[in-house]
Amino acid sequence: NAGVTQTPKFRVLKTGQSMTLLCAQDMNHEYMYWYRQDPGMGLRLIHYSVGEGTTAKGEVPDGYNVSRLKKQNFLLGLESAAPSQTSVYFCASSYPGQGSFQETQYFGPGTRLLVL
Amino acid sequence: AQSVTQLGSHVSVSEGALVLLRCNYSSSVPPYLFWYVQYPNQGLQLLLKYTTGATLVKGINGFEAEFKKSETSFHLTKPSAHMSDAAEYFCAVSEGTGGFKTIFGAGTRLFVKA
Repeated sequence: NAGVTQTPKFRVLKTGQSMTLLCAQDMNHEYMYWYRQDPGMGLRLIHYSVGEGTTAKGEVPDGYNVSRLKKQNFLLGLESAAPSQTSVYFCASSYPGQGSFQETQYFGPGTRLLVL
Repeated sequence: AQSVTQLGSHVSVSEGALVLLRCNYSSSVPPYLFWYVQYPNQGLQLLLKYTTGATLVKGINGFEAEFKKSETSFHLTKPSAHMSDAAEYFCAVSEGTGGFKTIFGAGTRLFVKA
């Protein structure tokens, strides 16, 4: 199993450009998440999905959109990139275990985005 | 609202010394607590987690953590540090079902000196 993979690994954008980050998981997980990681701030949730065709906002959703057309894929879009969106982006997935109140999140390797 | 505080953004220990990374949380309901580790240029991976039951939780790579409700703490320890333990460690708390209710601390970077 590849686990959680992210594409691309690194990208440089100019202000105003758009791009899509792709996340794929092969663990048949129901839940998927997009986080951003900034120095001294830990991980902050951008958007998440609890199943195919459903998405919801997290803590810092402004400037981002997401789609989950297939269970295994979760896309994060930046329509008009801003320097404040320079960050490392992590995708994660999890499966709500039967009888288990909480599940472990499995993270991808991250995408480093620099917006000039 | 839940929150997580990791005391010390950087911790330095000598190889073979005790590792102690501190985490305090606040939660309005019995929390679920996690420690994740992040090696350079990699994603986070779970070290250990507390859900219910025994308050001393053992994880991978010789790490363990103890849930102390009275102190609202979940400190991470390892008796003897190894060079390979150098990484960033994140404490996280969740109040409900689903990772979207998980809050991560700011992280503590562990340095191990030879």
